[in-house]
Amino acid sequence: EDQVTQSPEALRLQEGESSSLNCSYTVSGLRGLFWYRQDPGKGPEFLFTLYSAGEEKEKERLKATLTKKESFLHITAPKPEDSATYLCAVPPNSGNTGKLIFGQGTTLQVKP
Amino acid sequence: DAGITQSPRYKITETGRQVTLMCHQTWSHSYMFWYRQDLGHGLRLIYYSAAADITDKGEVPDGYVVSRSKTENFPLTLESATRSQTSVYFCASSQGSDTQYFGPGTRLTVL
Repeated sequence: EDQVTQSPEALRLQEGESSSLNCSYTVSGLRGLFWYRQDPGKGPEFLFTLYSAGEEKEKERLKATLTKKESFLHITAPKPEDSATYLCAVPPNSGNTGKLIFGQGTTLQVKP
Repeated sequence: DAGITQSPRYKITETGRQVTLMCHQTWSHSYMFWYRQDLGHGLRLIYYSAAADITDKGEVPDGYVVSRSKTENFPLTLESATRSQTSVYFCASSQGSDTQYFGPGTRLTVL
């Protein structure tokens, strides 16, 4: 069964304390892994797409990496404004339907 | 403004009433999606559409109806609302197996 699992469910960091969020997936023939940020009361906002193992993408304090079985979202020297829920998603194996399978998300809280 | 919009943003209704949530996108994306988001369940796909007049069920379609007569619009109807349909509903659009872009959401409460 196609599945996306994110860990941890919640993460509390002090401002400046770097850490990583994990997204593991079981789909074969990966056709992209998507990272989103969701602020309370808002829709998910697209961050990155990764397509192949070894690929990395960066945006400000965020860096996403991809292996054959998982992706990491590294947060370097986070600030309180980085507090949000981070979601990852992959297309399922079942053909080109446009659908995405989302993980449950990691809720990050960065304290000043 | 260009993008994807949803209306209403907030809705309170009563059990048994019909409710329609609207979604409009200006990108001419082929694909459109409806999700519900609940604590403990994450984002769950209700229905999706690959093009005008082509719709298909997602993970949790029971109690919902969709239509797509125009590429830019994808309304979601709850024919007889139930308390279990209290949720936050998100519409999204994409161009094929590409990035999905989400609307701001509709918070629906069924009393």
